[in-house]
Amino acid sequence: DAGVIQSPRHEVTEMGQEVTLRCKPISGHNSLFWYRQTMMRGLELLIYFNNNVPIDDSGMPEDRFSAKMPNASFSTLKIQPSEPRDSAVYFCASSPTDRGKLFFGSGTQLSVL
Amino acid sequence: AQSVSQHNHHVILSEAASLELGCNYSYGGTVNLFWYVQYPGQHLQLLLKYFSGDPLVKGIKGFEAEFIKSKFSFNLRKPSVQWSDTAEYFCAVTSGGFKTIFGAGTRLFVKA
Repeated sequence: DAGVIQSPRHEVTEMGQEVTLRCKPISGHNSLFWYRQTMMRGLELLIYFNNNVPIDDSGMPEDRFSAKMPNASFSTLKIQPSEPRDSAVYFCASSPTDRGKLFFGSGTQLSVL
Repeated sequence: AQSVSQHNHHVILSEAASLELGCNYSYGGTVNLFWYVQYPGQHLQLLLKYFSGDPLVKGIKGFEAEFIKSKFSFNLRKPSVQWSDTAEYFCAVTSGGFKTIFGAGTRLFVKA
């Protein structure tokens, strides 16, 4: 199994641009999570899906952030428009049905200039 | 609201020293507890987990953790650390459904 696959690994963009982060969970996993990691705030849960349905998006910081999961093998996290304070590492993780063990992707390092 | 507190943000130890990282959570119901490790430049990996049964759980690389329900704690321990244990350690709690909340993390630096 290739594990959770995220793309791109690095993204550098200018303030105001749209950014789309992509995630392919492990096949057969029912849950998918988007986390943001920063020095100041640690690892924050942004949103999570169960069976492709968004369950809790209370961690999404602003309306500029949106996430979709059109099918069981793909999810996107979009920031529009992006701001410098969005700079962080964004992790995607998936989980099978065994009560919460998460498998993380390698993350996307986002830098908004 | 559910939360996870890790007591130490930074820990510096010499090789062979013993390690204990504190973790407390706030949730009154049934929980599943985890410790994850993030080595420099890498993504998070599961170190150990507690679902039920023996409150002392053993994980990879000689790590163990003890669940004390009355104290809402799940402290991580290792009797003798190595330079290669230098990493950031995250305590995490899953309650109810699939929502997993992480603590702020503890950065461990082991001096060779």
